[in-house]
Parts: sequence; C-alpha cells; structure tokens
Amino acid sequence: GEDVEQSLFLSVREGDSSVINCTYTDSSSTYLYWYKQEPGAGLQLLTYIFSNMDMKQDQRLTVLLNKKDKHLSLRIADTQTGDSAIYFCAERPSGGYQKVTFGTGTKLQVIP
Amino acid sequence: NAGVTQTPKFRVLKTGQSMTLLCAQDMNHEYMYWYRQDPGMGLRLIHYSVGEGTTAKGEVPDGYNVSRLKKQNFLLGLESAAPSQTSVYFCASSYSLRGDQPQHFGDGTRLSIL
Repeated sequence: GEDVEQSLFLSVREGDSSVINCTYTDSSSTYLYWYKQEPGAGLQLLTYIFSNMDMKQDQRLTVLLNKKDKHLSLRIADTQTGDSAIYFCAERPSGGYQKVTFGTGTKLQVIP
Repeated sequence: NAGVTQTPKFRVLKTGQSMTLLCAQDMNHEYMYWYRQDPGMGLRLIHYSVGEGTTAKGEVPDGYNVSRLKKQNFLLGLESAAPSQTSVYFCASSYSLRGDQPQHFGDGTRLSIL
C-alpha cells in the first residue's frame, strides 16, 4: 500500500530558508499536497503538485519533485515565526476515488 | 464563509458512553470525510461519503458509525466509547474526486475517553 514518510522535527532561524522533505511510494500518476497545521487548528492546504511536474513556486513556497527517487520537498524562503506549525505531506493517486495518504507531519520551529 | 464547521470542539466522555460529532459544510461539496489524528501516525480515514445518503468505510472504521442525511452534514457516532478512541477528529470535504480540488478541513474535535 501507499506510504508517505517525513522527518518529525525541523528547527530554523528566522529569516533563513526551511526545507521540509517527504518520500512517497505510490504510482507514477499522483497528486502530492502540502498542508499546514497550526496549534489547535485544522489542516490548511498550502500548495499541491501533480507528478508530471518538477517544480511549483508560489510566493515564498517552492515545491520540488524528484520523480525518480519519489522525493518531494517544500522550501519556505525567509522563514518567519508565523511559519511555526506542523507540515503534512500527502499523496493521492489520480483516477476515480483514491484514498489520500498523509505523512506523520514535520514540526517546524522558527527561532527568533 | 464558514467552510467546514465541527461541533463540539472539545469533549470528555466516560468509557461506554455514546456521542455524535457533527460536521457541517457550506461549500456545496459532494464528498465528505472523517479522519482521526493520533501522535506519530498522521491522519487516518475513518469513513467517507460520496454524496447524500451514501457512506463507505475507510481505513479504521471499527467502533464508529456515520450518516449523511443531508448533503451539508456528516455525522460521526461513537456508540460505546473506548479509551482507544481518544484522539483529535477532523472532518473534511471536497467538491469532486479530482486531485486538483483538494479536501478542506475543519478545526477538529478533541475527544478524551476516560
């Protein structure tokens, strides 16, 4: 079955770039998502990429996809204290109803 | 625009008690989902619904029942609560099955079973 893995914790200084990594195991045709969860809140979709893309950029966020290694990363430029949260990687194979598989989440701590 | 609203936000139950968690969405979404979030395990799908009057089992359905009598509401029931059901429960909805229309989440219900 599908599996999505992430490291549990990342600490960066304010103003630096953060890179959160994720690996997945499923098919070549899949959607990959990044969600942000702030304390006491639900998951907020940040961005997503389809597996036929290599990169997607949206303001301070850059998503990079290495299809060969099934490795996905989320880069946050100029990290701010408001970026402190848990970041979830998720994947969903394309075609019909397919289950979304979530990673365990990476807790990002931004040090002022 | 409220999006996905879950009630209650917090609840403490005793083992064996029953309760219903309510999820309401105002986005006219066809598809709705219930997840549980446990430390170190990410989100796991309990049940989902692909339309009014339909429900289906997810990854961890045992001990839970659901109903979708109205398109905008998706109810999650615990008939006889157990300590293993202590968790944070999230409801989500989506407009379609297309991957470029991802799921929208509520803020969660924190449930403790003593």
